[in-house]
Amino acid sequence: EDQVTQSPEALRLQEGESSSLNCSYTVSGLRGLFWYRQDPGKGPEFLFTLYSAGEEKEKERLKATLTKKESFLHITAPKPEDSATYLCAVQARGGGTASKLTFGTGTRLQVTL
Amino acid sequence: GAVVSQHPSWVICKSGTSVKIECRSLDFQATTMFWYRQFPKQSLMLMATSNEGSKATYEQGVEKDKFLINHASLTLSTLTVTSAHPEDSSFYICSARGQLVWSPLHFGNGTRLTVT
Repeated sequence: EDQVTQSPEALRLQEGESSSLNCSYTVSGLRGLFWYRQDPGKGPEFLFTLYSAGEEKEKERLKATLTKKESFLHITAPKPEDSATYLCAVQARGGGTASKLTFGTGTRLQVTL
Repeated sequence: GAVVSQHPSWVICKSGTSVKIECRSLDFQATTMFWYRQFPKQSLMLMATSNEGSKATYEQGVEKDKFLINHASLTLSTLTVTSAHPEDSSFYICSARGQLVWSPLHFGNGTRLTVT
């Protein structure tokens, strides 16, 4: 069974204080690992897809990396508007377009002034 | 691009009534749509997967007669909560995947259902 574990559960940073969120996974053949951002009362917003170990993707202050066992979401010099819950999910090979994502429970990030 | 619209954003209904939630992919064709339920401070729980023109596949423990899903076109899926009860109160979120198997899921903004 595919599993995704995210840590820490919650993280409080001061503005400008860089840090990393961790996503450990086990999957029977990885098709893709996805990062999403979710604001309170909203649906998740797609950030990145990573397909193979060694791959990196960047968007503004966010950088996602992938190894064979885990992914990191690095946040550089965060701002208060980066406060949100960050979700990691994996998609296994097989199942066509109906293949499901297995989600972690998320990291709640709060960035203060 | 890749916008998913979900309506309504919130609804209050009385116990015993039915509620329909719509999910539309606005700028792409969604071969597959997924319906999730989310409890406060918890992650997404997949309820069912629907493919256009075929019956939905429900996850274990999800009552298919209570949560009716219809995926009538490549841009529209609906979830009907039948004979709603207070325990059905939750945040329901739909998502849609395009026609490529490695496409990410794009999510609607969710529907907050309160059953009184």
